[in-house]
Amino acid sequence: AQKVTQAQTEISVVEKEDVTLDCVYETRDTTYYLFWYKQPPSGELVFLIRRNSFDEQNEISGRYSWNFQKSTSSFNFTITASQVVDSAVYFCALTGDSNYQLIWGAGTKLIIKP
Amino acid sequence: DAMVIQNPRYQVTQFGKPVTLSCSQTLNHNVMYWYQQKSSQAPKLLFHYYDKDFNNEADTPDNFQSRRPNTSFCFLDIRSPGLGDAAMYLCATSRELAGNPERFSRFFGPGTRLTVL
Repeated sequence: AQKVTQAQTEISVVEKEDVTLDCVYETRDTTYYLFWYKQPPSGELVFLIRRNSFDEQNEISGRYSWNFQKSTSSFNFTITASQVVDSAVYFCALTGDSNYQLIWGAGTKLIIKP
Repeated sequence: DAMVIQNPRYQVTQFGKPVTLSCSQTLNHNVMYWYQQKSSQAPKLLFHYYDKDFNNEADTPDNFQSRRPNTSFCFLDIRSPGLGDAAMYLCATSRELAGNPERFSRFFGPGTRLTVL
């Protein structure tokens, strides 16, 4: 069975602080894909990143960075120098190689205070 | 810009009155999905179309139907909305190419928030 756990229900930090959102997954598939999505209050789900199971390279995109560790089944997301516009619910998700079902974490609500 | 469009953004209907939500895309993606998202929950897949092939999730109620008349458009029909169907409905697309990991990236529309009175 596949499962995604986002243990942090809500995180609140002051603007400019760094913040890390945790994601732990379970899967028996040897090939799988991990995702992060951002959902601001407007409701739209914004695709942030896809990571393939065979590529453990970490990625940085501006203030965003992702740390993929197969040894601990984790795919954590760090925002550096957070801004108020980063306030949103962030979802981590997982899919195997041969199905259309995304397995979603429960989401982490991130609040950035000015 | 290529995108996924949903209309309307907000829909109010009455208990038991059929309602249709629409989704269009300019991405030319061959797979389209409908998700239901209730407050403080993750999205739940209702069904998807792979080209014209309809794929229903096992736990999707019969009250929910879908149509895809062409590549660009997909509709969600709720035949007799109940109070429990009030939610955000999200349309998404992806491009299925065998062996290409891009096929797993889903692009979402802005959603339609449905209220049932």
